[in-house]
Amino acid sequence: EAGVTQSPTHLIKTRGQQVTLRCSPISGHTSVYWYQQALGLGLQFLLWYDEGEERNRGNFPPRFSGRQFPNYSSELNVNALELEDSALYLCASSLGEGQGDFSPLHFGNGTRLTVT
Amino acid sequence: QKEVEQDPGPLSVPEGAIVSLNCTYSNSAFQYFMWYRQYSRKGPELLMYTYSSGNKEDGRFTAQVDKSSKYISLFIRDSQPSDSATYLCAMSVILGFGNEKLTFGTGTRLTIIP
Repeated sequence: EAGVTQSPTHLIKTRGQQVTLRCSPISGHTSVYWYQQALGLGLQFLLWYDEGEERNRGNFPPRFSGRQFPNYSSELNVNALELEDSALYLCASSLGEGQGDFSPLHFGNGTRLTVT
Repeated sequence: QKEVEQDPGPLSVPEGAIVSLNCTYSNSAFQYFMWYRQYSRKGPELLMYTYSSGNKEDGRFTAQVDKSSKYISLFIRDSQPSDSATYLCAMSVILGFGNEKLTFGTGTRLTIIP
């Protein structure tokens, strides 16, 4: 069974630019989560999508946005990049509502974004 | 006070030793407890998850939950150099629709010395 896949693996952007990160969940998973892991800060929750809808959002500015497609894959968009956006962006997936009481998150290997 | 506290380490132990990794938490509503392992430049990998107090064993790994003390542990027996990684604890409370509140510890960096 293929795990969560993310692309690209690495990205270098300039401050002020925009970036799109992509994620494909595990087959059968309908929930997709995005996390930011900056050096020394741990995992910070960004966004949660399920069945194509945004279900919850972390404490990040509106320039962080995303969407989930009918095939449950997802994109994370970051506009007006700032230096402090440099981090590892992790996507995770799990079973959605009605598919069980509890479904732990399974993570991809992330996209490492460097903003210069 | 953070909801989940985890000693960042680093923790270095000789090969073959028993490793104990710990997290404490303040939110008594947490129901599910997870341990993830993260190798350098990789995403977190789910090791184990538990629901109730007590122990759960999987090979060389044992997860322990003490809800009365709000304390969870991960024990690694016969530690190997390949166990060198950052270990993250995570805790979840179901609020009616999936993992509506999931909180991670900051991770403990572990090195097993051959």
